[in-house]
Amino acid sequence: RKEVEQDPGPFNVPEGATVAFNCTYSNSASQSFFWYRQDCRKEPKLLMSVYSSGNEDGRFTAQLNRASQYISLLIRDSKLSDSATYLCVVKRQAGKSTFGDGTTLTVKP
Amino acid sequence: NAGVTQTPKFQVLKTGQSMTLQCAQDMNHNSMYWYRQDPGMGLRLIYYSASEGTTDKGEVPNGYNVSRLNKREFSLRLESAAPSQTSVYFCASSSTGNTEAFFGQGTRLTVV
Repeated sequence: RKEVEQDPGPFNVPEGATVAFNCTYSNSASQSFFWYRQDCRKEPKLLMSVYSSGNEDGRFTAQLNRASQYISLLIRDSKLSDSATYLCVVKRQAGKSTFGDGTTLTVKP
Repeated sequence: NAGVTQTPKFQVLKTGQSMTLQCAQDMNHNSMYWYRQDPGMGLRLIYYSASEGTTDKGEVPNGYNVSRLNKREFSLRLESAAPSQTSVYFCASSSTGNTEAFFGQGTRLTVV
C-alpha cells in the first residue's frame, strides 16, 4: 500500500462546478499536510497548507481528519484556470515529504 | 527572487555517461531534496539533506549520489546513466519543521 493515496481521476467538470478530491495517508506519525498544484511540465507549487481545524482560501477549502487519516480539497465555482494536477503531500517531523500521484482536473467551458 | 535554481534545464545522455545536476537555494533553508517524476506519476524522493553535512536516502536512491556542498547547494550525480533514469528531476528546499517545500523548475533528463 502506498503511503499517500489519492483519487485516481481524471476529473472533467464544467465551469462553475464544485469538485472535491480526497487523499488518504497510512503513517499516523504524519504531522503536516499540504495541497500542491502542478501545471503541465512545470514544478509543483504550494496551493495551501491543511490545518486540523480546516481552512479556506477563497474558493478552496481544505479539511483534515486525523482519526480517519485523510485530507480533502474542495474547489467551488471552478474556473478554466483551475485545470491542473493536484498533489496531496504528507510530511513527517524528520522533514521527509511524501507525495501522492496526483489527481488531474480539467475544467471545460 | 531566485528561490531554487536548477541547472541544466534539459539534458540528453548516452547510457553509461555520468553527469551532475546542480541545485542552489537562496532562502537560507536547512533542508533540501531531490525528487524524480515519471510521466503520470507523483514525485518520488531520491535523497534529502536535513541540514548542511547530512544526507539520507529516500524512496529511490539506487543509481544516484548526492553532495550537500554547503547550506545553499545540493547536487545530484548519476555515475553511469541508464534509460530507466529518464525522468524529470526536481530539487526542493524547506526550512526546518513542518513547512512547505519550494521547488526548482526541474531538469528534463533523457538517457538514450
